[in-house]
Amino acid sequence: SAVISQKPSRDICQRGTSLTIQCQVDSQVTMMFWYRQQPGQSLTLIATANQGSEATYESGFVIDKFPISRPNLTFSTLTVSNMSPEDSSIYLCSVVGDVYTEAFFGQGTRLTVV
Amino acid sequence: DQQVKQNSPSLSVQEGRISILNCDYTNSMFDYFLWYKKYPAEGPTFLISISSIKDKNEDGRFTVFLNKSAKHLSLHIVPSQPGDSAVYFCAASARGTGNQFYFGTGTSLTVIP
Repeated sequence: SAVISQKPSRDICQRGTSLTIQCQVDSQVTMMFWYRQQPGQSLTLIATANQGSEATYESGFVIDKFPISRPNLTFSTLTVSNMSPEDSSIYLCSVVGDVYTEAFFGQGTRLTVV
Repeated sequence: DQQVKQNSPSLSVQEGRISILNCDYTNSMFDYFLWYKKYPAEGPTFLISISSIKDKNEDGRFTVFLNKSAKHLSLHIVPSQPGDSAVYFCAASARGTGNQFYFGTGTSLTVIP
């Protein structure tokens, strides 16, 4: 299993500002994933972050809005840029187990944009 | 396009009775299915999984059933306990095509003491 520490756990931000979410894993992992869960919705994959290369974004998500850093095998950040109320969501980072049997999640960041 | 669907947003069950949570999927390439439990202010935690080569997997009070022809899976919790009250997500993946998990919208289970 993997232990994932994510911070902040919650924040209330003004529209037009940016928030950077940090994700720290207790072991080295090749890929880290960022998800968004909007109210009443499923977990939606934003992007996959590989160490040493640019993140791969899913349809509907762009790097300018959600820049991701992956400086090493245990850490990643997701920035939500130029926020609007529509960005109010829970953001989760995730890693996959060694034998790709399950995904492990951080506790999530509950973002409210006012 | 929602490839994994949980059509019941909520479910209430008496303590000691069986809870049945349902999940449907549309992508026939999915070959691995998981259930996650999520408490408020916490990330989802893995509960149980099943590979497409099986039709049942059991772990204590939790059993997952897979009906590939119907593209349907269900999670049975017997007996239900108040601590089981949480949001349950089903997830699916096609392991040969990448590492993405597709999640349903969740079912909020309330177990009434």
